[in-house]
Amino acid sequence: NAGVTQTPKFRVLKTGQSMTLLCAQDMNHEYMYWYRQDPGMGLRLIHYSVGEGTTAKGEVPDGYNVSRLKKQNFLLGLESAAPSQTSVYFCASSGGYEQYFGPGTRLTVT
Amino acid sequence: QQQVKQSPQSLIVQKGGIPIINCAYENTAFDYFPWYQQFPGKGPALLIAIRPDVSEKKEGRFTISFNKSAKQFSLHIMDSQPGDSATYFCAASNTRTGANNLFFGTGTRLTVIP
Repeated sequence: NAGVTQTPKFRVLKTGQSMTLLCAQDMNHEYMYWYRQDPGMGLRLIHYSVGEGTTAKGEVPDGYNVSRLKKQNFLLGLESAAPSQTSVYFCASSGGYEQYFGPGTRLTVT
Repeated sequence: QQQVKQSPQSLIVQKGGIPIINCAYENTAFDYFPWYQQFPGKGPALLIAIRPDVSEKKEGRFTISFNKSAKQFSLHIMDSQPGDSATYFCAASNTRTGANNLFFGTGTRLTVIP
């Protein structure tokens, strides 16, 4: 039982490049979330999903897109990366109140 | 606009001390208040949570105190240990929306000195 896994762990992008972050959970949870964590700002919700095939915007959705084609996977895409998207990205899943977080992806955009 | 305000930003205590971290919120629709603990290089993990129908909850050395009228809640760590050194985040959500989206505070970096 791996819980929540994220790939990749680290990535460096140049401004304007695109990439996809993958989150996978093996707990059969309905809800999945993408957060970004920046110094002094805590965790902020980017997008979330309440079930397979559904997605919704969180607090800071601009510049990101998501997809939930399979229940166990939640993808976060950056179509045209900007330096302001340099951050640590966390995925989480939940079957009730508690959210289980992955280990994070550290993304640097130069 | 930060929906949950957290203080202090950092805290240093001696082993055995009782660090206290405070949080405040404005949205009276919030009905679930968890605390998450995060070690360097790891994702946050749920430590303890409280609903507004009780004023205090204890789990081991960790206690949440909740003041509904003041819209404040705090985390107390009894007999703190060096292994408690981590960043602590308070959060709040409105579980009636169904998605249970969490609004996090800005975090408190706790250092427990041996």
